[in-house]
Parts: sequence; structure tokens; C-alpha cells
Amino acid sequence: DGGITQSPKYLFRKEGQNVTLSCEQNLNHDAMYWYRQDPGQGLRLIYYSQIVNDFQKGDIAEGYSVSREKKESFPLTVTSAQKNPTAFYLCASSRTAVQPQHFGDGTRLSIL
Amino acid sequence: SQQGEEDPQALSIQEGENATMNCSYKTSINNLQWYRQNSGRGLVHLILIRSNEREKHSGRLRVTLDTSKKSSSLLITASRAADTASYFCATDGPSGTGNMLTFGGGTRLMVKP
Repeated sequence: DGGITQSPKYLFRKEGQNVTLSCEQNLNHDAMYWYRQDPGQGLRLIYYSQIVNDFQKGDIAEGYSVSREKKESFPLTVTSAQKNPTAFYLCASSRTAVQPQHFGDGTRLSIL
Repeated sequence: SQQGEEDPQALSIQEGENATMNCSYKTSINNLQWYRQNSGRGLVHLILIRSNEREKHSGRLRVTLDTSKKSSSLLITASRAADTASYFCATDGPSGTGNMLTFGGGTRLMVKP
């Protein structure tokens, strides 16, 4: 079945540590996105990529970094510069920008 | 800031009743989409309505769009306990992030059996 896979499901970060969240899709979608969701809130866009080897900052990119070396993969690194990283992180993809998005099941990041 | 704002923030109804959620937005849009999120899961796309459409149906879902009022509503008819979830509207169009989708804060729907 085609879809988006996020891993791990739960992740713990120590002080000063960078952690990387994985997102893989086999839908042959060009566009991929990373969102942050805080409890009881909507989604906020961190980064997006409309094509391989290109990505753009979203509304809350500070403290995060991404890469898009392959069409299928769009990993997100939460750096030590992100002082409040505890949140639910969602990856999504779509055929093109503004088409309906398909979401993974998220990674919940907590601080140790 | 969020483009779409849902109302109410939370809604509790009995199984079999209809549920209506509203979404208001600030700037002009190309499309408006509704998504559903079960607790602890990713979002699932429900329906897309274009700016030149006024109403759209999909099964028990009915979406309306009033561009003059910059608002949309999602109606779920004959609700079931399995409809319990959060529902989000998302708009695209001029915003802080170009044509990317901007999500509202969601309506948390509880359907009691």
C-alpha cells in the first residue's frame, strides 16, 4: 500500500542534542511538508519542499533543518537551538503544492 | 497567524445527531480543504472545495463555502461514535507562506453512543 511512514513513533531528546525524524513516502509525490502540532492546537508549517534538492522555510523554521536529496525522503532535524521541541511532528506529501495532503502518523518528541 | 479559525472549538453530540463545524478565514483563497484527525494520528483529507464552488457532498459530509463571508461549514449527518475526532479546515492562497496550506485550530468533536 502506498503511504507515508514516519519513524520513530516516540523520540526523546537530551539537552544540547540534535535529533532527526524520518519521513518516507512511496506515493511518487513531488511536494513534502513538516508540521508541528502542540496539544489542542492546529498545525504549523516548519519546512516544505516542492521538488528534490529544494526546500523552503515555513512559519516556524528556527531551530529546525531539513534535506531533500531523494524524492521519497524528507528528514527533519530538530537542533539544540530549538529550545521548546516537545510537540507532535507530522510529515505530509502531496502530488503538487495545494493538492490534498497525505499524512504520516507522526512522531512525538519529548525532552529527557 | 492562522488563516482559518474553526468554531466551535469543541462539540459534543449524541449518536444520530448532525454535527456542524464552521471555519472562517481572512484573505482570499483558491481552495478550502477539510481534514480529520483521530487522537494521536495523522490527518486524513476529507473534501476539497474550490473558490468557485458553493457546496460539495461526500457521503455523510456536506461542505459549503461562502467567499463573500470568507467562511465554510462542514456538516456531518447522522453522526456515529466513530466520527469522534478533531476536524480542521485548511486554506490556500495569499498567506505568509505563499500558496501553502494554512490550517485552523480545529474543532474537537465527540459523538456519544
